[in-house]
Amino acid sequence: AQSVTQPDIHITVSEGASLELRCNYSYGATPYLFWYVQSPGQGLQLLLKYFSGDTLVQGIKGFEAEFKRSQSSFNLRKPSVHWSDAAEYFCAVGAPQAGTALIFGKGTTLSVSS
Amino acid sequence: DSGVTQTPKHLITATGQRVTLRCSPRSGDLSVYWYQQSLDQGLQFLIQYYNGEERAKGNILERFSAQQFPDLHSELNLSSLELGDSALYFCASSEHRSDTIYFGEGSWLTVV
Repeated sequence: AQSVTQPDIHITVSEGASLELRCNYSYGATPYLFWYVQSPGQGLQLLLKYFSGDTLVQGIKGFEAEFKRSQSSFNLRKPSVHWSDAAEYFCAVGAPQAGTALIFGKGTTLSVSS
Repeated sequence: DSGVTQTPKHLITATGQRVTLRCSPRSGDLSVYWYQQSLDQGLQFLIQYYNGEERAKGNILERFSAQQFPDLHSELNLSSLELGDSALYFCASSEHRSDTIYFGEGSWLTVV
């Protein structure tokens, strides 16, 4: 069965420090992987996606993620966190056009301390 | 702004009632998806439509139904509402043959 695990429910990072949010997935075929961010009271905004090719993908707002097939992981990183990055981050896997809807992890809440 | 529009943004209703949530996808997008976000269940996929036809079904209760109209807007109907149906309901859309889906800001439903 397809699933996504985000092991960290809540992470606090100092402003300017680096960030890594973990995501592990279980998927029968080659996965399409996504990271979304949700600010309080807002919808989900797509940060980046991986379909194929280069395993290091760049996204918006300075985020990047690396696909590691051997570890079934797709971790999100940012070299220097800004206070405005405080939000909830969701990892997702799926292939909507093939009829396999996106399955989301439970999310990781990021707090940024000054 | 993703271009996906959902109305109403907030809705409070009583148990046993019926509500309709409306979604206008991004211009030109043929696929519409509905998701439910609650504290205990997280983001749950409900249903997907493509160009008016049901494409995939997730954890959608029998009390819930959806449709996509010829102009591509979609409605999610929730009936015999229970307290546990209180959640944020998201609509999302995607282009033809695209696996990238864009979410609206959601409709907050509170059942009292």
